[in-house]
Amino acid sequence: EVQLVQSGAEVKKPGESLKISCKGSGYSFTSYWIGWVRQMPGKGLEWMGNIYPGDSDTRYSPSFQGQVTISADKSISTAYLQWSSLKASDTAMYYCARHRGVGANRDAFDIWGQGTILTVSS
Amino acid sequence: EIVLTQSPGTLSLSPGERATLSCRASQSVSSSYLAWYQQKPGQAPRLLIYDASSRATGIPDRFSGSGSGTDFTLTISRLEPEDFAVYYCQQYGSSQGTFGQGTKVEIK
Repeated sequence: EVQLVQSGAEVKKPGESLKISCKGSGYSFTSYWIGWVRQMPGKGLEWMGNIYPGDSDTRYSPSFQGQVTISADKSISTAYLQWSSLKASDTAMYYCARHRGVGANRDAFDIWGQGTILTVSS
Repeated sequence: EIVLTQSPGTLSLSPGERATLSCRASQSVSSSYLAWYQQKPGQAPRLLIYDASSRATGIPDRFSGSGSGTDFTLTISRLEPEDFAVYYCQQYGSSQGTFGQGTKVEIK
């Protein structure tokens, strides 16, 4: 079964750092782009950026450039989203998702992780 | 950045009725690279339609997509109880994908 499994819920304080993960299985992890999507409480979906695990080529939405870092470790089929200094406004659900086509970074997301909920509060 | 505007914000319909959802782009979407997703409370989004009109694997044929350029439509021919949810369009023709704000389909 093709799936993405994300790390569990996090509760952090402002200023702390964090790295959440997304592990792929059931397919060739290095052949498909992985994207990250934010959903703030009660709001819509926002495209943050994506990465090609095969060579770690990474793209960011201008809204998120410099705010987060996307990375991947192809040896363990895992993509990451990290923050160096969290803010209360980072409170949201974060989804990873696989782009549908082999090697395609301009494609729909066909497989989604279950989401990681992040709460940042003092 | 391409901005997607979905309408209406909320659609109140009864089971068995036809639903028509609109997604308008601020500029032409390259190669009709537009997708539709369904999201139910507490769940991740699910891909319904890609490339404007192609149904994703396992999606019932009551869901159909159409359109090109700047105007796209998702049609649900006859609403089933499980179809009441929020629907998002997404364009992926530019270097960064963007989503519409969503349309909620609720039971009348």
